[in-house]
Amino acid sequence: EPEVTQTPSHQVTQMGQEVILRCVPISNHLYFYWYRQILGQKVEFLVSFYNNEISEKSEIFDDQFSVERPDGSNFTLKIRSTKLEDSAMYFCASSDYTHLNEKLFFGSGTQLSVL
Amino acid sequence: TQLLEQSPQFLSIQEGENLTVYCNSSSVFSSLQWYRQEPGEGPVLLVTVVTGGEVKKLKRLTFQFGDARKDSSLHITAAQPGDTGLYLCAGVGNQGGKLIFGQGTELSVKP
Repeated sequence: EPEVTQTPSHQVTQMGQEVILRCVPISNHLYFYWYRQILGQKVEFLVSFYNNEISEKSEIFDDQFSVERPDGSNFTLKIRSTKLEDSAMYFCASSDYTHLNEKLFFGSGTQLSVL
Repeated sequence: TQLLEQSPQFLSIQEGENLTVYCNSSSVFSSLQWYRQEPGEGPVLLVTVVTGGEVKKLKRLTFQFGDARKDSSLHITAAQPGDTGLYLCAGVGNQGGKLIFGQGTELSVKP
């Protein structure tokens, strides 16, 4: 069964450093997302991406965050200067629907720890 | 801002018991999804409910969407240890796009 893959599974970084989280969505999907889950809190939407541009972003997704689809397969989330509060599990997701019947496939996540 | 309140947050029951998890909001959602998440994994979609009043069954799991599309429930009959996990509800807002998640229900089924 096709799946969304994320690398690395764990990332430890120092505060102020840049990190890039990588995702390979399901190959025929057109919509891509990043969500995050801080330990003990809700899964939160960060950004959605379609047709090579951001279609929606949350207030969390500030200037420190960026997304890119550098080639036909990868979808990356970059955090320019990490803060302690960026520590969370980051999930990539993809879908081939929009609106009412969204069916999202989530990756296994990248656990980011900012020290 | 649309919010989803999920209850209970924790549920520990014996094998064979029935349980219901609730997901409530003051807002209308165009559809609502239920996910199950295992430790170290991403959420896995169980079902999507779209129509107010809709009921869907997945083996021993029954999902219901409220008539007004503001709430949903997940009922598990004769729970088994394999049902143990984190159950998440998530709503698709009226403008489509992002999912809004509830805080999750951590279910533990003891043999």
